[in-house]
Amino acid sequence: SQQGEEDPQALSIQEGENATMNCSYKTSINNLQWYRQNSGRGLVHLILIRSNEREKHSGRLRVTLDTSKKSSSLLITASRAADTASYFCATGLTSGSRLTFGEGTQLTVNP
Amino acid sequence: GAVVSQHPSRVICKSGTSVKIECRSLDFQATTMFWYRQFPKQSLMLMATSNEGSKATYEQGVEKDKFLINHASLTLSTLTVTSAHPEDSSFYICSARATVGGHSPNYGYTFGSGTRLTVV
Repeated sequence: SQQGEEDPQALSIQEGENATMNCSYKTSINNLQWYRQNSGRGLVHLILIRSNEREKHSGRLRVTLDTSKKSSSLLITASRAADTASYFCATGLTSGSRLTFGEGTQLTVNP
Repeated sequence: GAVVSQHPSRVICKSGTSVKIECRSLDFQATTMFWYRQFPKQSLMLMATSNEGSKATYEQGVEKDKFLINHASLTLSTLTVTSAHPEDSSFYICSARATVGGHSPNYGYTFGSGTRLTVV
């Protein structure tokens, strides 16, 4: 079964609004990563958060991790039409192990 | 930064033929290569993990005789879909991990741009 489950599956917002996506997982992890995928393209790494971290920021991105609830959230502030893409969380059991991907959230930012 | 070149980006083949997909790490040595498959509007599913110079480890349900993986060098891994059928049509993505990835932003995982395979 999928390690990661994301919600919502689809999110449609207006430009300038914030977008929040959530990811839940089942087992203990070493790290959790967020990736973006434009339609029919490869994955772009956005941010990594380690299991001993609770929050990280990168530009307009804010990621939180709650290991007690086995969940993470990705917040994109001041969204732009160019942020339209699918967003996936991926968990790693160790620093070099395979990544297990969540089911993804399709974000649409309307201009 | 680290770059993985994946080719071809798109391929259409006839049912019953074989297709080879290449992933090359351009500026680093990839000791481990992960191969994923992604069906439309779905997530990435790991097919197999290969380490340079050894046999690939396949995930449950993935036929190793159908999806041949070769990782003969630290910069090249190939996935060959043998006797392809329409149900093999999918998006295939490789991910290479560098020999020393602990200090990379994402522990050294670099993804290729993917290959859209259509079997007709």
